[in-house]
Amino acid sequence: GNSVTQMEGPVTLSEEAFLTINCTYTATGYPSLFWYVQYPGEGLQLLLKATKADDKGSNKGFEATYRKETTSFHLEKGSVQVSDSAVYFCALTENSGGSNYKLTFGKGTLLTVNP
Amino acid sequence: GAVVSQHPSRVICKSGTSVKIECRSLDFQATTMFWYRQFPKQSLMLMATSNEGSKATYEQGVEKDKFLINHASLTLSTLTVTSAHPEDSSFYICSASPGLAGGDEQFFGPGTRLTVL
Repeated sequence: GNSVTQMEGPVTLSEEAFLTINCTYTATGYPSLFWYVQYPGEGLQLLLKATKADDKGSNKGFEATYRKETTSFHLEKGSVQVSDSAVYFCALTENSGGSNYKLTFGKGTLLTVNP
Repeated sequence: GAVVSQHPSRVICKSGTSVKIECRSLDFQATTMFWYRQFPKQSLMLMATSNEGSKATYEQGVEKDKFLINHASLTLSTLTVTSAHPEDSSFYICSASPGLAGGDEQFFGPGTRLTVL
């Protein structure tokens, strides 16, 4: 079956530091890949996505590139801010047949950015 | 836009009782809603998918008689945990999609923390 593995947290950085959160996946087909973010007390929000190999998703200074050869979708940001403190989830969708696209999530990585 | 709410945010109940959790899409019509369960430091695990007006489709290993899902309208889905036991204690999260789950984005609720004593 499909699975997503992302780096264990928590990750603690100082403001303006470079961020990388690793994510690798296993899939039988050609999934779409996502990063979701969950701020304290809120629901998950879509941060960025990529639907095919070599696509780069980007949003709010975050980027991730769909690497089919390494089955990876690492999240990066050049300069983090305190407001980026949240839990980040890597996920993929598979077309399970019919019209249902199911999300498979990684375990989440807690990021804390200190001023 | 695309806000999903859950109620209650936190519930504590005695073993053997039933608990209902509501998931509402506040500003869009959700043809499809999803229910997830999350254990501490674990992934979100999909429990079931429901399309409005249809029976829910449960994932393998999820007891449909224990986790009753109703999606009676385009803005409301409910999850009822029947005869709850301490092992049912968990964080339950719903999401809603405006499409027929045909790849449309899922919008997530803030979750409900269930504690069964």
